[in-house]
Amino acid sequence: DTGVSQDPRHKITKRGQNVTFRCDPISEHNRLYWYRQTLGQGPEFLTYFQNEAQLEKSRLLSDRFSAERPKGSFSTLEIQRTEQGDSAMYLCASSFPGRYNEQFFGPGTRLTVL
Amino acid sequence: DQQVKQNSPSLSVQEGRISILNCDYTNSMFDYFLWYKKYPAEGPTFLISISSIKDKNEDGRFTVFLNKSAKHLSLHIVPSQPGDSAVYFCAASVVGGNQFYFGTGTSLTVIP
Repeated sequence: DTGVSQDPRHKITKRGQNVTFRCDPISEHNRLYWYRQTLGQGPEFLTYFQNEAQLEKSRLLSDRFSAERPKGSFSTLEIQRTEQGDSAMYLCASSFPGRYNEQFFGPGTRLTVL
Repeated sequence: DQQVKQNSPSLSVQEGRISILNCDYTNSMFDYFLWYKKYPAEGPTFLISISSIKDKNEDGRFTVFLNKSAKHLSLHIVPSQPGDSAVYFCAASVVGGNQFYFGTGTSLTVIP
């Protein structure tokens, strides 16, 4: 399968714990995006990378959130000291150089904070 | 503030008939619009897009219409098929922008 993959698909954690999600984009896609989707809403932009550089962050990305893409390939999204309000689907997308209006999404990681 | 709005949370249509999904936006800087389709437990998949220099784009059974003066776009599916049953998201991006702004989605059910 050559699509965007995300791991894990589901994560249940207790409030206050740290969690980390991984996204593997489509190979040769140099841009990688993170979105969050809560119940009844559409995906909301969190941040994006071009290669290893994080170029934009949404105000939704609080200090408890950090994203990395150390080698310009896979990316990780870490949430520290999780809160119940962090419960959501976290979606990763990637796009090909010069075709940034075509974002291909992964299946998402569903986070539940108890 | 929701810059892209889909005011119909759900829509039911008979198989073979036309499905019309609507989307409104508020930001006049949006210049590219897309429709994504989402099945349960999957990420959104790209369906069709339109640039602001056009008012219509067609791809098989799917047609997107853009009315810039009304800040409105619609997706027409003709004929509708049961496999089209999914949640449809409208999205938009600004000139030179890097993020998509999504609507809240419309759940389409095509009744056999």
